[in-house]
Amino acid sequence: DVKVTQSSRYLVKRTGEKVFLECVQDMDHENMFWYRQDPGLGLRLIYFSYDVKMKEKGDIPEGYSVSREKKERFSLILESASTNQTSMYLCASTGQTYEQYFGPGTRLTVT
Amino acid sequence: SQQGEEDPQALSIQEGENATMNCSYKTSINNLQWYRQNSGRGLVHLILIRSNEREKHSGRLRVTLDTSKKSSSLLITASRAADTASYFCATWDGPVWGNAGKSTFGDGTTLTVKP
Repeated sequence: DVKVTQSSRYLVKRTGEKVFLECVQDMDHENMFWYRQDPGLGLRLIYFSYDVKMKEKGDIPEGYSVSREKKERFSLILESASTNQTSMYLCASTGQTYEQYFGPGTRLTVT
Repeated sequence: SQQGEEDPQALSIQEGENATMNCSYKTSINNLQWYRQNSGRGLVHLILIRSNEREKHSGRLRVTLDTSKKSSSLLITASRAADTASYFCATWDGPVWGNAGKSTFGDGTTLTVKP
């Protein structure tokens, strides 16, 4: 079975801190995604990557950056966390079948 | 607004009844997928229907796609309490420019199945 893991289930950070969210998949998938999920807004795509060192902006990239140095790992970086970045962050990966496999999510609270 | 929009936002039924959820989208798609999310968890892929398909079945799930109306429906037959979850449709626009493309999710339908 495909497994997508995220570094933390719950995270509390202070405003202005630099935050790293890590995602690792074990199925050699080319494509990886970062979404945030907020009540009433569904899932919104932040960034995605279709190969090592390649990245594409999603619908809401402002305030975020990403890194993909290895195929299995896709990191989301909040350069200077703000309270409006409090959210559930979901990582996903997919191969050639377009089916996305999701991690369990990281609930980030910025105070 | 979102590419995929589900209707209704919330649905409450009795165990054994059928549940129908609808999804509308705005642009052309490669495929459309349905996902389930249990409270506080990641999403689980349920079924994918390609743009050249009209209907697809998987167990108690039946998905239809009408590209002329840009809409899809998910039918869960003989529902169970364990089907209680949020259901999302996601449209896929790829492949584009050598990568697989990306998907756009709707806001979801919250289904409650009462025992």
